[in-house]
Amino acid sequence: LAKTTQPISMDSYEGQEVNITCSHNNIATNDYITWYQQFPSQGPRFIIQGYKTKVTNEVASLFIPADRKSSTLSLPRVSLSDTAVYYCLVEKLRNNAGNMLTFGGGTRLMVKP
Amino acid sequence: NAGVTQTPKFQVLKTGQSMTLQCAQDMNHEYMSWYRQDPGMGLRLIHYSVGAGITDQGEVPNGYNVSRSTTEDFPLRLLSAAPSQTSVYFCASGRGSRDYNEQFFGPGTRLTVL
Repeated sequence: LAKTTQPISMDSYEGQEVNITCSHNNIATNDYITWYQQFPSQGPRFIIQGYKTKVTNEVASLFIPADRKSSTLSLPRVSLSDTAVYYCLVEKLRNNAGNMLTFGGGTRLMVKP
Repeated sequence: NAGVTQTPKFQVLKTGQSMTLQCAQDMNHEYMSWYRQDPGMGLRLIHYSVGAGITDQGEVPNGYNVSRSTTEDFPLRLLSAAPSQTSVYFCASGRGSRDYNEQFFGPGTRLTVL
């Protein structure tokens, strides 16, 4: 499994755009990049998943360059409720075989008023 | 849908006691898994199942047993609790397709072993 590296913590202010970059130099051809969000005392929550270029949903955008050795999660106009830990994962997607997630330490985002 | 439910929410055990953490999902997901999360750390996979009757070990399986007799339920058994098993336990479920994988996590069980 490809190892991921992301900043331990980040600070931001309400209304700002936040970009969290994850490095995954050993990503394999059939690996996908996935981001989860975890609030204190809760289970992780899926945010976004992508393979290449750009993926956008109602919560975030995911930018993946052509070499796929890194990815950037972009959160537009954060609010205090976006304070959480954000995990970058690299996983192989397989039919009916299960997808074991490998969590690193994550990035602790603190949004200030 | 209730999603993924876990019981109990909190549990205190004495060293050597055994117990079962319950996990159920109502989304008809084939894939279910158990993770533990120690303070300030990421989640680590204990056991997982790709369908009823099929289970396998994850990264940290020692001291835990699982079974999967139905699609809905995936209980985790602690055979003889140790202080090192003090942690928060999360159950997750998902479909596991080649095109998309979103896993749904339960609210967790906070276990303390004295």
